[in-house]
Amino acid sequence: EVQLVESGGVVVQPGGSLRLSCAASGFTFDDYAMHWVRQAPGKGLEWVSLISWDGGSTYYADSVKGRFTISRDNSKNSLYLQMNSLRAEDTALYYCAKVAATRLYYYYMDVWGKGTTVTVSS
Amino acid sequence: DIVMTQSPDSLAVSLGERATINCKSSQSVLYSSNNKNYLAWYQQKPGQPPKLLIYWASTRESGVPDRFSGSGSGTDFTLTISSLQAEDVAVYYCQQYYSTPSFGPGTKVDIK
Repeated sequence: EVQLVESGGVVVQPGGSLRLSCAASGFTFDDYAMHWVRQAPGKGLEWVSLISWDGGSTYYADSVKGRFTISRDNSKNSLYLQMNSLRAEDTALYYCAKVAATRLYYYYMDVWGKGTTVTVSS
Repeated sequence: DIVMTQSPDSLAVSLGERATINCKSSQSVLYSSNNKNYLAWYQQKPGQPPKLLIYWASTRESGVPDRFSGSGSGTDFTLTISSLQAEDVAVYYCQQYYSTPSFGPGTKVDIK
């Protein structure tokens, strides 16, 4: 069964840092690009970041560019999101999602994790 | 960046009746080289992650009931639930994947 499990969400103070993880199983992880998508409480979905299957290419939403870094460790079947200079508006449920096709960036997301909650508050 | 809009924000439909959700992109998401519309629809029920319903604007994901259908091309798209069931109460999002992804604001569907 294809599965994505996020972890690392906590309560952090404004200006703080946090690293989220997403553990993948049930598919050949290093064949697929991966996304982070977030959802603020009671709000819609916001795309955050995309990384290629080999980690060689990364893309970010303007709202997080320069503060967040996406990475992956294919030997550990894991995706990460390093979040620095956190703001109250970064408070959200963070999902990792798998791209549906191998070795392509611009494709729909076919599998989502259940998310991990990040709260930025003093 | 491609901006996605949806209408209406919410709708209430009687059980067994049709629900129609519209989605518009700020630029065409039709890729001319393969004639595919890079548009997906997701369903999100309370407390759950989004679930893929439709991709390429009109292709139903495996296991999705055939009462769900997608149509449209270029910049204008529609998700139709032909006969609303109680389990279809959810928020529905369109998303373009022609470039770095963007989602519509969502449409909440309830029972009248």
